Amino acid sequence: KNQVEQSPQSLIILEGKNCTLQCNYTVSPFSNLRWYKQDTGRGPVSLTIMTFSENTKSNGRYTATLDADTKQSSLHITASQLSDSASYICVVSAGGTSYGKLTFGQGTILTVHP
Amino acid sequence: KAGVTQTPRYLIKTRGQQVTLSCSPISGHRSVSWYQQTPGQGLQFLFEYFSETQRNKGNFPGRFSGRQFSNSRSEMNVSTLELGDSALYLCASSLWEGLADEQYFGPGTRLTVT
Repeated sequence: KNQVEQSPQSLIILEGKNCTLQCNYTVSPFSNLRWYKQDTGRGPVSLTIMTFSENTKSNGRYTATLDADTKQSSLHITASQLSDSASYICVVSAGGTSYGKLTFGQGTILTVHP
Repeated sequence: KAGVTQTPRYLIKTRGQQVTLSCSPISGHRSVSWYQQTPGQGLQFLFEYFSETQRNKGNFPGRFSGRQFSNSRSEMNVSTLELGDSALYLCASSLWEGLADEQYFGPGTRLTVT
């Protein structure tokens, strides 16, 4: 069964600190992996999209890594800001005959305190 | 360029009623996908429409249906509402078909079933 597990479920950090969110998946065959940021009461916003051949992708202070061998991804946030407080969702898209089938993680709720 | 818009933003319905939600994609985008988000289940894919045709469908009962018009606008209908249908319904648009493409989400419609 395709699954995406994210850890931790929630995280509290101080403004200015760095943090790393984890995503482990068992989706097969793999097509791509996306990280979304969702502010409370709003729709998700795409941060990065990574295919099988990509190891690292950055978007400003956000850097995602992908290890297709271990089926793990991480999202690193540098020099956190109050506006980073949100839910971060990992989504894996399947390939092959299951093309486009999406499996969602439950998300990590990040709270940044001043 | 205007983003994805969804109407209404909030809705309260009674069990047994039906509801229709609307989504207008970003200008030029031809694919619209719908998602249900609840605290317990997280984000779940409902269906995707491209060129007025349903291209992908998630694991939801037949009470959930949708359609897409020639201008790419989409509607989602839920008949015989149940308490468990209370959720945030999100739509996302992308340039082309296939859920592997970059998707842009709307703000969602918050449906409450009493």
